[in-house]
Amino acid sequence: KNEVEQSPQNLTAQEGEFITINCSYSVGISALHWLQQHPGGGIVSLFMLSSGKKKHGRLIATINIQEKHSSLHITASHPRDSAVYICAFSTGTASKLTFGTGTRLQVTL
Amino acid sequence: NAGVMQNPRHLVRRRGQEARLRCSPMKGHSHVYWYRQLPEEGLKFMVYLQKENIIDESGMPKERFSAEFPKEGPSILRIQQVVRGDSAAYFCASSPVQRPNYGYTFGSGTRLTVV
Repeated sequence: KNEVEQSPQNLTAQEGEFITINCSYSVGISALHWLQQHPGGGIVSLFMLSSGKKKHGRLIATINIQEKHSSLHITASHPRDSAVYICAFSTGTASKLTFGTGTRLQVTL
Repeated sequence: NAGVMQNPRHLVRRRGQEARLRCSPMKGHSHVYWYRQLPEEGLKFMVYLQKENIIDESGMPKERFSAEFPKEGPSILRIQQVVRGDSAAYFCASSPVQRPNYGYTFGSGTRLTVV
């Protein structure tokens, strides 16, 4: 079993829809990261959080440490949000990241 | 203030050749991480380096792969005698400290194709 699981694997939404991507992990972590990767492109760090909630523009990330679960929300989705969204964690004893397999999001007009 | 610079963006090598991938971290960042993304798979950690030191190489294949981060110049990931299974995207990330409060900065990656 992977240490970090994401759902759904693939997601198609219409422009304007509210989107939620989920991430569950099975170990104690020091921080949870959300990353964005466009096809053939580089990786952009969206959020790093260890508790509560963070917001940046139309993106919101939440984490529940007790339930070992995090969500990434996109409000008023737009076709330019189409990308792969990756959840990753770091632990207290290591700074390397362990990644989920990603959620492929397609937002259509 | 340039971000993390990786070059080349695309690299084609024949089986048995050597591949050298370069990563220049952000200015002021002394911690470098290399990750590999195999086709249709997730990212996997390879190695973590500080200037002149390898801190964690638990993700590096035992043979043919090596990494360095010299006092001067970029970090280098070196793959000797490449095989088709080495074809992947290799990403570098950097941070100013071991466990940054705001996350890591990634490069655009090097896409290695072995023919």
